[in-house]
Amino acid sequence: AQKITQTQPGMFVQEKEAVTLDCTYDTSDQSYGLFWYKQPSSGEMIFLIYQGSYDEQNATEGRYSLNFQKARKSANLVISASQLGDSAMYFCAMREGRVETSGSRLTFGEGTQLTVNP
Amino acid sequence: KAGVTQTPRYLIKTRGQQVTLSCSPISGHRSVSWYQQTPGQGLQFLFEYFSETQRNKGNFPGRFSGRQFSNSRSEMNVSTLELGDSALYLCASSSSGGPPYNEQFFGPGTRLTVL
Repeated sequence: AQKITQTQPGMFVQEKEAVTLDCTYDTSDQSYGLFWYKQPSSGEMIFLIYQGSYDEQNATEGRYSLNFQKARKSANLVISASQLGDSAMYFCAMREGRVETSGSRLTFGEGTQLTVNP
Repeated sequence: KAGVTQTPRYLIKTRGQQVTLSCSPISGHRSVSWYQQTPGQGLQFLFEYFSETQRNKGNFPGRFSGRQFSNSRSEMNVSTLELGDSALYLCASSSSGGPPYNEQFFGPGTRLTVL
């Protein structure tokens, strides 16, 4: 089974509107972390936001928020007030287990290509 | 704080050659992970080094190897290059193994083309 599933290969949004990128995960670990990265055409992976499995509140970072529904094993990224510069590939990733014992290995989804239209 | 640096940024090699890629993590970070990104396979984990020891290893052949130095800089080596090794190789730097757990930053990548 896929550990990280991103069901939207491509998404389109109008500038200044909000958009939600879906991510579901599968793990039997109680301790894990969920990351979202943005990858523009240049190739660099830009860290956006992080949610720990024990975090009770949804993470927010500026225009980015993470809608964390633990029981449903989903960690959707919400981008508010989209900008043209948000056009990029977006990846959801998971680190399983405690970092101290399991390390920092990330498993990635296949990504969602977001296009922001003017 | 300076970010993660990777050298070289671009590389062209021919089949059968070997290549060495370098990654310098963020100051204070002791963990370095390597990933391969291809259009067909997506992002795949190669290995992780922490305090000069390999802590995790992905499902890649033995032609792929790595090491980490005492200053946390890491190198990965690919021997006997194959056409399928053409990819973007990304290095990620993370904290010392404890909190904060949210720090996992990537370098700009090395784009390897094998002819």
